[in-house]
Amino acid sequence: GALVYQYPRRTICKSGTSMRMECQAVGFQATSVAWYRQSPQKTFELIALSTVNSAIKYEQNFTQEKFPISHPNLSFSSMTVLNAYLEDRGLYLCGAKTGDSDYTFGSGTRLLVI
Amino acid sequence: DAKTTQPDSMESTEGETVHLPCSHATISGNEYIYWYRQVPLQGPEYVTHGLQQNTTNSMAFLAIASDRKSSTLILPHVSLRDAAVYHCILRGTGGNNKLTFGQGTVLSVIP
Repeated sequence: GALVYQYPRRTICKSGTSMRMECQAVGFQATSVAWYRQSPQKTFELIALSTVNSAIKYEQNFTQEKFPISHPNLSFSSMTVLNAYLEDRGLYLCGAKTGDSDYTFGSGTRLLVI
Repeated sequence: DAKTTQPDSMESTEGETVHLPCSHATISGNEYIYWYRQVPLQGPEYVTHGLQQNTTNSMAFLAIASDRKSSTLILPHVSLRDAAVYHCILRGTGGNNKLTFGQGTVLSVIP
């Protein structure tokens, strides 16, 4: 079956430092990868959508300068949170799919900023 | 902004059939209705989706109104494992195929 693994599962970083998180698709080709952030209040925010052979599309309030994303092949993507501050804390979710199929999500990387 | 409206929470007893409503009055003709659920400490899990016709799979039955402005996710014989936040989401096709999550419905299941 289609699985998505995210690591680390949880991490703590000091305010002003950066944190890189990874997303691995297993059992299918991740032609599209969507990165979300779920706040402590459980609200979902789409950060960006990355599709192979297309430019990464960032949503309003999210920029490449703050959340650079790499999607080098059909099984892997990574995102870095640069200069993390308190408002960046939350659960970062990676959802991946092939073509127009359904998204499969990982369990997320929980970021705590201190 | 989320384009769906769901009740904040619902409660059920094990073995009952649960009807989770969703309103999407401004749905476009090319938008699919997707349902995902999320349990604590996990990412969202796909449940089902449909466009116009009712659909069924091993997890649930999705009833879509004839005008497509509302839908109901029906969970037969719920168990404790079905306790989760259920998200009703509209998803376009082609380049606009992102999922926009709302707050969802928190389903509690009582033994």
